[in-house]
Amino acid sequence: ETGVTQSPTHLIKTRGQQVTLRCSSQSGHNTVSWYQQALGQGPQFIFQYYREEENGRGNFPPRFSGLQFPNYSSELNVNALELDDSALYLCASSYSRPSSYNEQFFGPGTRLTVL
Amino acid sequence: TQLLEQSPQFLSIQEGENLTVYCNSSSVFSSLQWYRQEPGEGPVLLVTVVTGGEVKKLKRLTFQFGDARKDSSLHITAAQPGDTGLYLCAGGQGGSEKLVFGKGTKLTVNP
Repeated sequence: ETGVTQSPTHLIKTRGQQVTLRCSSQSGHNTVSWYQQALGQGPQFIFQYYREEENGRGNFPPRFSGLQFPNYSSELNVNALELDDSALYLCASSYSRPSSYNEQFFGPGTRLTVL
Repeated sequence: TQLLEQSPQFLSIQEGENLTVYCNSSSVFSSLQWYRQEPGEGPVLLVTVVTGGEVKKLKRLTFQFGDARKDSSLHITAAQPGDTGLYLCAGGQGGSEKLVFGKGTKLTVNP
C-alpha cells in the first residue's frame, strides 16, 4: 500500500506565473485536504475535497483553486503567484466522511519558491 | 479566528531530560491532534484526544486534553535524540477535517 505522494518535490516560479501541484492520495482514501506551511509556521488549511466536491475552504483568495478526480487524486492550482506564496504545500488524505476525528495522512509536500 | 498558541517555540535539551510542550487556545475544539514533522517530510500523527480531561500514553509520550477542551500538553520522559523534530498541535471541529495548527515547537535532543 503506497502512502500519499506529491509532485513535484520542488518548484521555482516567478511572480505572476501559474502553478499546478499534484497529490495522489493513499489507496482507498476519498477525502483530500491541502495545507500551506510557510517557513517557521504551522500548516494552514486551504481547502478540502470529498468525493470530488469541495467540502470547506480556509482564508485563501480565489486564485487558489483545486480539483479532485474520480480516482480521488487531486490538484492545487495557484494563479498570479505572489512572493508570499512561497511555502511548503502539503496534501493530506483520509478514508471516510470528513470528521475532525479522522486520521489524516500527509504527503511529503511540494516546496514552492516564488521569485 | 481560531488560534492555537504553542510554547515554547524552541527547546534544546540533553538526552535523558524530561520536557513538556503546551498548546493553548481560547476556542473549544472537538478533537486535538499532535503531530511530529521532520525536515523535508509531512507531519505524522502521534495521537488524537477527544474527551475533556483525557490522558493518552504512547511509550515515553503522555498527552493530555484540558477539561474544557481548549488546551493540551505533551510530556516526554527521558528524551532521546530520536525525539528531535517539530511538534505540532492541531484542533479539529465537528464534521470537518479542517485542522487549525499551532506554529509548532522545535525540539532538539542532544546526545
